[in-house]
Amino acid sequence: DIQMTQSPSTLSASVGDRVTITCRASQSISSWLAWYQQKPGKAPNLLIYEASNLESGVTSRFSGSGSGTEFGLTISSLQPNDSATYYCQQYKSFPTFGQGTRLEIK
Amino acid sequence: QVQLQESGPGLVKPSETLSLTCTVSYDSINSYHLSWLRQPPGKGLEWIGYMSYSGSTNYNPSLKSRVTVSVDTSKNHFSLRLTSVTAADSAVYYCARHSGTYLFDHWGQGTLVTVSS
Repeated sequence: DIQMTQSPSTLSASVGDRVTITCRASQSISSWLAWYQQKPGKAPNLLIYEASNLESGVTSRFSGSGSGTEFGLTISSLQPNDSATYYCQQYKSFPTFGQGTRLEIK
Repeated sequence: QVQLQESGPGLVKPSETLSLTCTVSYDSINSYHLSWLRQPPGKGLEWIGYMSYSGSTNYNPSLKSRVTVSVDTSKNHFSLRLTSVTAADSAVYYCARHSGTYLFDHWGQGTLVTVSS
């Protein structure tokens, strides 16, 4: 299995801030990485695919970066409704997810 | 409009078989695959397995011995069977659509399954 490790596990920031969540793969996955947002009681929602491509309909305040084993999800100009848990997922082989990063908006 | 809807019992006894159905509705239905994933309460996501409309399958090696995914093309139903369940199988179970890669662009709302006597 390819292990995915996210940091930090929790993050607290203020409206208008810019934050970055990091995801590390246990082996190279090229750019086969996606990011999802999940709100309580809801299914995950695809934000970014192939490490840096924005899914249709997703605000450009979300951006992705990285390749190989190190990846990042940046959210700029934080809004109250960005409060959620964010997961990275590799799809180079059978899919595995990071443990999630819970983002709290102060 | 893309729709996926999970259904099935919310309570299963230990050692029994968990059975769920995902009813799907979207254009070009035979161009997509359907995966099952799960999420224990308060925990992360785990991929269980997938089936294509044509019948190809692949499973998470950690669950492979207990999982079967099938499709009823006449009803646009995908089914999940997980045998010999334990409390560790208690989770919200999701079905999710993807194309050739495991990129999940649409998900069902999820259904909570509790394993308890």
